Amino acid sequence: KQEVTQIPAALSVPEGENLVLNCSFTDSAIYNLQWFRQDPGKGLTSLLLIQSSQREQTSGRLNASLDKSSGRSTLYIAASQPGDSATYLCAVIGSSGDKLTFGTGTRLAVRP
Amino acid sequence: DAGITQSPRHKVTETGTPVTLRCHQTENHRYMYWYRQDPGHGLRLIHYSYGVKDTDKGEVSDGYSVSRSKTEDFLLTLESATSSQTSVYFCAAAGVADTQYFGPGTRLTVL
Repeated sequence: KQEVTQIPAALSVPEGENLVLNCSFTDSAIYNLQWFRQDPGKGLTSLLLIQSSQREQTSGRLNASLDKSSGRSTLYIAASQPGDSATYLCAVIGSSGDKLTFGTGTRLAVRP
Repeated sequence: DAGITQSPRHKVTETGTPVTLRCHQTENHRYMYWYRQDPGHGLRLIHYSYGVKDTDKGEVSDGYSVSRSKTEDFLLTLESATSSQTSVYFCAAAGVADTQYFGPGTRLTVL
């Protein structure tokens, strides 16, 4: 059974800092990996999707990397802003291509 | 939200009553999903659908049933609600191995 772990569970940083969120998964036979953002009381918003054949994806100040063989992904946020405060979730989709397994998330607070 | 709506957004019900939650999508995605989100457990898959009338169980399917009679609608039914089913329920939709788009969630309280 696939298990997804995110460390740290919570993180507080001053505005402007660059930061890295970590995600690890136990079964490397994945189809792709996705990073989501969830604001309090809201649904999930997709940030980045990395196919299993890719090493990284970038969107604005966000960069996600994938090392499938070691079962790890990182989400890099450059020049953090208070508006980045949210919970960040990673999820992997198995080789069947249909179901996501989620990590429990990292709650990020960016202090002005 | 890619055109995904959920109804109702909030519901309070009593133990033993049946409850149906509705998810509606406008993008003709093949796959639809129901998750529940609880503190300490994250998002867990209840049921999913890979086409009209085609559904399968997720990891926490006991006490829940689903139906999908049209591409755009996916219903989740709690046959006899229990307090352990108090949760926030999210619907999602996706293409094959594609980004999942989530609805705004339904907060269900079972007294």
